[in-house]
Amino acid sequence: DGGITQSPKYLFRKEGQNVTLSCEQNLNHDAMYWYRQDPGQGLRLIYYSQIVNDFQKGDIAEGYSVSREKKESFPLTVTSAQKNPTAFYLCALRDADTDTQYFGPGTRLTVL
Amino acid sequence: AQSVTQPDIHITVSEGASLELRCNYSYGATPYLFWYVQSPGQGLQLLLKYFSGDTLVQGIKGFEAEFKRSQSSFNLRKPSVHWSDAAEYFCAVVFNTNAGKSTFGDGTTLTVKP
Repeated sequence: DGGITQSPKYLFRKEGQNVTLSCEQNLNHDAMYWYRQDPGQGLRLIYYSQIVNDFQKGDIAEGYSVSREKKESFPLTVTSAQKNPTAFYLCALRDADTDTQYFGPGTRLTVL
Repeated sequence: AQSVTQPDIHITVSEGASLELRCNYSYGATPYLFWYVQSPGQGLQLLLKYFSGDTLVQGIKGFEAEFKRSQSSFNLRKPSVHWSDAAEYFCAVVFNTNAGKSTFGDGTTLTVKP
């Protein structure tokens, strides 16, 4: 089995703590994306990476950071600067041949 | 600005009835168009996509969508809805393939009555 995996499925954090969400893929795609989903607001792009060692801010990057040291991995850190981090976070990768995005199962982050 | 609109936040249909979910976009050229489905607490699953050619595209789970250039629309349809189709549906558009980014609508929640 393989594809795109996210862990953990549920994550709880105290206010003021940084937390890192994992996204891993074994499909050999270059481009990976992080989205935030809130009820009634659809998906909003946080960060994306089109190639290893390179990434760009999306529409709501403030309070988040990423790294792309390996093709297989694109972790997202939610920092204490993110004022309202409770949300559902989705990682996706893009098949460049078809311009189609495929999604992981998501991580639900709750700040206590 | 480029945008994607799903005018219906919530739709309720009876099981066995037909379904149409609307999607409109604002853009001069023809973009790449997608429909995804999301069950509660899950990721998004691709239903179908349109790049070019035949404007009626078939997808998984018995869904189809029709691209209408004159209306800048890409509506999703299903002739007979099943209770398992209850979910949230997202339309997505790639306006600029070089940028590699998709723009998503806000979603339509489908409820299926028995």
